[in-house]
Amino acid sequence: AQTVTQSQPEMSVQEAETVTLSCTYDTSESDYYLFWYKQPPSRQMILVIRQEAYKQQNATENRFSVNFQKAAKSFSLKISDSQLGDAAMYFCAYRTYNNNDMRFGAGTRLTVKP
Amino acid sequence: GAVVSQHPSWVICKSGTSVKIECRSLDFQATTMFWYRQFPKQSLMLMATSNEGSKATYEQGVEKDKFLINHASLTLSTLTVTSAHPEDSSFYICSASWDRVSKNIQYFGAGTRLSVL
Repeated sequence: AQTVTQSQPEMSVQEAETVTLSCTYDTSESDYYLFWYKQPPSRQMILVIRQEAYKQQNATENRFSVNFQKAAKSFSLKISDSQLGDAAMYFCAYRTYNNNDMRFGAGTRLTVKP
Repeated sequence: GAVVSQHPSWVICKSGTSVKIECRSLDFQATTMFWYRQFPKQSLMLMATSNEGSKATYEQGVEKDKFLINHASLTLSTLTVTSAHPEDSSFYICSASWDRVSKNIQYFGAGTRLSVL
């Protein structure tokens, strides 16, 4: 069974600074997808960034980028120039190529200090 | 991004009654819909996966007779919590995807908070 581990229950960052959230996963599959979702206090899940395992290039979306290390099964999220609106729970998620099931990590609560 | 509407956002019911939660994909046809449960300060736990026109696939430990899922059309899935009890109080979230176009992304509804008295 695939598992997703987020080892940081809470993180904080100063506004305008950079923060990295960690995620590791366990799988025997070679093709899969990885995601970072954000859940603000409204509890609406919002897709932040997505990575396909077959792509070596790290995904980027504006201030958000990932460091995907396939051999190490690591998928960290870097948030640059942190903003107050970035404060939320961040969930790392995994799904296989042929299966719709998505498995989530336990989440990291990010606090942004003004 | 695609829009998924979930209704109601909050429901309070008496123990023993049934509650229906709707999940609609507003601007796309969802080949697959998912139902999750989230306890306070915890992660999302997948309850079941439903494909339009077929029976839902439930995760291990999820009672099929307790949580009835109907995916009658490509834009609507419903979750009915039958004979609800206080331990069923939780936050329920649906998501939808249409693989070929959405590139395997799941789009989430805003969730439903269920409180059983």
